[in-house]
Amino acid sequence: IVLTQSPGTLSLSPGERATLSCRASQSVISTYLAWYQQKPGQAPRLLIYDVSRRATGIPDRFSGSGSGTDFTLTISRLEPEDSAVYYCQQYGTLYTFGQGTKLEIK
Amino acid sequence: QVQLVQSGAEVKKPGASVKVSCKASGYMFTGYYLFWVRQAPGQGLEWMGWINPDGGGTNYAQTFQGRVSMTRDTSISTAYMELRSLKSDDTAVYYCARGGARNLDHWFDPWGQGTLVTVSS
Repeated sequence: IVLTQSPGTLSLSPGERATLSCRASQSVISTYLAWYQQKPGQAPRLLIYDVSRRATGIPDRFSGSGSGTDFTLTISRLEPEDSAVYYCQQYGTLYTFGQGTKLEIK
Repeated sequence: QVQLVQSGAEVKKPGASVKVSCKASGYMFTGYYLFWVRQAPGQGLEWMGWINPDGGGTNYAQTFQGRVSMTRDTSISTAYMELRSLKSDDTAVYYCARGGARNLDHWFDPWGQGTLVTVSS
């Protein structure tokens, strides 16, 4: 399954809402989709699993939604530390990642 | 807390092999699948394979079959990933990550800190 993320880069101001898209080339099995955040020089960190479940310690500003082939990560009330690259991943048919969306906070 | 600590950076010549270690702590090592993922400079994430520390069963991504081996030493809660016949485009950061307890349909959490492998003549 190929995952295509859009946009490639997103530039927003603190306090705004970010909407990141992840589209699959075929339907993702069950709810087997996760989102990760990666900051420069760091390992990816799990944000969301099973489409919409927040990982431990992740603030409720982060939310996931979607089904089938279309999924969304929404980050409300952006903060400067949200600057990062965000990856979606499906884990129902082997394991594939999207190419990432770079989020810049102005 | 659950933690994965990887070995340090490596520099290898083309054609050589590299072996990266991943030491687990804070949980029962044999109770969870362990995955390997790599990230070339400025690029995205690529799944390489998994190992079941309980028994040593493995599954490798087709891209790496024949060139990668994943093993473990349960006595020291450590997993290993060896990549052979290195080429310049194997230059990447290699990560280990914990998967699920009894199922493979699982997200990766947590991740090791990564190991930079540089392949250069």
